[in-house]
Amino acid sequence: AQKVTQAQTEISVVEKEDVTLDCVYETRDTTYYLFWYKQPPSGELVFLIRRNSFDEQNEISGRYSWNFQKSTSSFNFTITASQVVDSAVYFCALSEAQYGNKLVFGAGTILRVKS
Amino acid sequence: DGGITQSPKYLFRKEGQNVTLSCEQNLNHDAMYWYRQDPGQGLRLIYYSQIVNDFQKGDIAEGYSVSREKKESFPLTVTSAQKNPTAFYLCASSMVGGRGNEQFFGPGTRLTVL
Repeated sequence: AQKVTQAQTEISVVEKEDVTLDCVYETRDTTYYLFWYKQPPSGELVFLIRRNSFDEQNEISGRYSWNFQKSTSSFNFTITASQVVDSAVYFCALSEAQYGNKLVFGAGTILRVKS
Repeated sequence: DGGITQSPKYLFRKEGQNVTLSCEQNLNHDAMYWYRQDPGQGLRLIYYSQIVNDFQKGDIAEGYSVSREKKESFPLTVTSAQKNPTAFYLCASSMVGGRGNEQFFGPGTRLTVL
């Protein structure tokens, strides 16, 4: 069965602090894809990154970085030097090759960055 | 600009009434999806469609219906059979013919049953 767990319901940090959002997944498929989406207060989900199961290279994009570890079934997301504009709900999601592009989402982590 | 539009942004319904939420996309995507979001539960899939005139139930399809008569449009009807319809509804679309295609989301419709 496919499942995504985001154990952190809510995180509060002060601006310029680094913060890591955890994501743990379960799947029986050997080919799968992991995603992170950001949902700002406006409500629309914004795509951040996609990773396939055969590519464990970490990725950095500006202040954002992602750590994918198959050994622990984790796909964690770190924001460096957080800013108030980073305040949002962040979702981790999983799709398995056998189910096409269907996504299974975690419950989301609310990130509050205070100035 | 290419994107997904949902209307209305806010919708109020009396108990026992059916209501239809609109979703239109001009991204030329074949696949479209409807999700429901409740506080603390993430997004759950209601229905999805990978081609015109075809759609499949997702994880929580009871009390909902959809149609896909045009590639650009995927309206969702919340029927009176849906026991707890108050929620935030998100529509999405994606390419098919590949794997792991990211989904693009609309701005959502917040439905409140009075």
